Amino acid sequence: ETGVTQTPRHLVMGMTNKKSLKCEQHLGHNAMYWYKQSAKKPLELMFVYNFKEQTENNSVPSRFSPECPNSSHLFLHLHTLQPEDSALYLCASSLVTAPSGRGTYNEQFFGPGTRLTVL
Amino acid sequence: QKEVEQNSGPLSVPEGAIASLNCTYSDRGSQSFFWYRQYSGKSPELIMFIYSNGDKEDGRFTAQLNKASQYVSLLIRDSQPSDSATYLCAVQNNDMRFGAGTRLTVKP
Repeated sequence: ETGVTQTPRHLVMGMTNKKSLKCEQHLGHNAMYWYKQSAKKPLELMFVYNFKEQTENNSVPSRFSPECPNSSHLFLHLHTLQPEDSALYLCASSLVTAPSGRGTYNEQFFGPGTRLTVL
Repeated sequence: QKEVEQNSGPLSVPEGAIASLNCTYSDRGSQSFFWYRQYSGKSPELIMFIYSNGDKEDGRFTAQLNKASQYVSLLIRDSQPSDSATYLCAVQNNDMRFGAGTRLTVKP
């Protein structure tokens, strides 16, 4: 596998379900990101992990719970979602050149995304 | 005020023409600027980045940056139907902020 991979590619879930999205990067990067992309809206940054530490949480509802066990893997755990959470969820990774605090974030490489539909 | 603004389009150009995509941003401290291409149903793909004022050329693509005017653009020369996609402008000052994208259609 090369680049950034995401599974599953498509997910349909009910509002009471619990599911997880998985992302894996094979680029030797040290920062990973979750984005939400809804139709005709800018990419919304949800979470940032820099050197496995969560450095940003952009007021995301608690029904989304990220997990970063190591610098190559990132999960997004989903529970009791709402229909308006239906969107394309994109994972990205990049190389951060300063490990402490807010460093210099370089170009991000995206995975193929998970198309989520909440019924 | 939107942080990163792009004309949503659609922008339609004939094959072989120059396509010009524009982006303005509000954060004067922004340091890095990126253009991503996103085909329908696919994820964004980085095509250009620029850090300094002026032009940067890569094949048929030229990125132009004017920090004083808070403006970044992407020119695509000799446009091809395969260039038809949504182009996302991204601006970085610690955090990366994306525009909503401009949809480009290149007609044969």
